[in-house]
Amino acid sequence: DAGITQSPRHKVTETGTPVTLRCHQTENHRYMYWYRQDPGHGLRLIHYSYGVKDTDKGEVSDGYSVSRSKTEDFLLTLESATSSQTSVYFCAISEPPRGTGELFFGEGSRLTVL
Amino acid sequence: RKEVEQDPGPFNVPEGATVAFNCTYSNSASQSFFWYRQDCRKEPKLLMSVYSSGNEDGRFTAQLNRASQYISLLIRDSKLSDSATYLCVVKSNSGYALNFGKGTSLLVTP
Repeated sequence: DAGITQSPRHKVTETGTPVTLRCHQTENHRYMYWYRQDPGHGLRLIHYSYGVKDTDKGEVSDGYSVSRSKTEDFLLTLESATSSQTSVYFCAISEPPRGTGELFFGEGSRLTVL
Repeated sequence: RKEVEQDPGPFNVPEGATVAFNCTYSNSASQSFFWYRQDCRKEPKLLMSVYSSGNEDGRFTAQLNRASQYISLLIRDSKLSDSATYLCVVKSNSGYALNFGKGTSLLVTP
C-alpha cells in the first residue's frame, strides 16, 4: 500500500471553529489532492497541488484553503467550519499525472460539524 | 450535467452471476478512463484502466465506446468478495485531476 497517512481520522467540531486536516506521504509523489465524499455526490475535488507551494482549486473549493510547504505534507484548512462541511475527506497522491492516472488514496478523515 | 454518470444500483446478484455496469461521460475530449473499487467505509482503489480496444483482467472486462461516450465493466462468475461500490472515473486531456462518478453498488449474495 502507498504510504499515505491522514490525520485526524475522526473529528467532531462545532460550527465556526477552524479545522485542519493533514495528509502525509512517504512516496515522494509530486501531485497531491483533497477530495470530499458525500452520499449522492460521490467524490468531489476540493484542491490539488502539483508541487511545493503550487496549488489550484477544484470543483468545490469554497470555504477551504490548502498549503504545501513540503513535498510530503498537504494541509486542508476549514477556516470556519459549517455543517455543510460534514463529510469524509480523502487525500490522494499521484505521479506522474498524465501517466496511468492512478490515484492512491489515504484512509479518509471523517469530519462532523455540529 | 455531471461529467460522469452511473446507475447507482444497487445491483443484487447471486454468486456465479454475470453483471454489467455502465457509465457515460460528457466531455468528448476525455482521454483516460478507469474503474475504481471502493469497499464500505474504505478508500477507493484502482480496479483497472479502460483501453480503447477493450481489456480484460481475469473475471473483469472493461469496454470503451468513444463515439457514444460510454464505458462498461463486466464481472463474470461473481464472488461474495466482489461486493463493493464501483466508481467510473474519467480524466480529460487537460488538468491533473480525475472526475469520479457517484458509483454503482454491487451486492453478491450466497
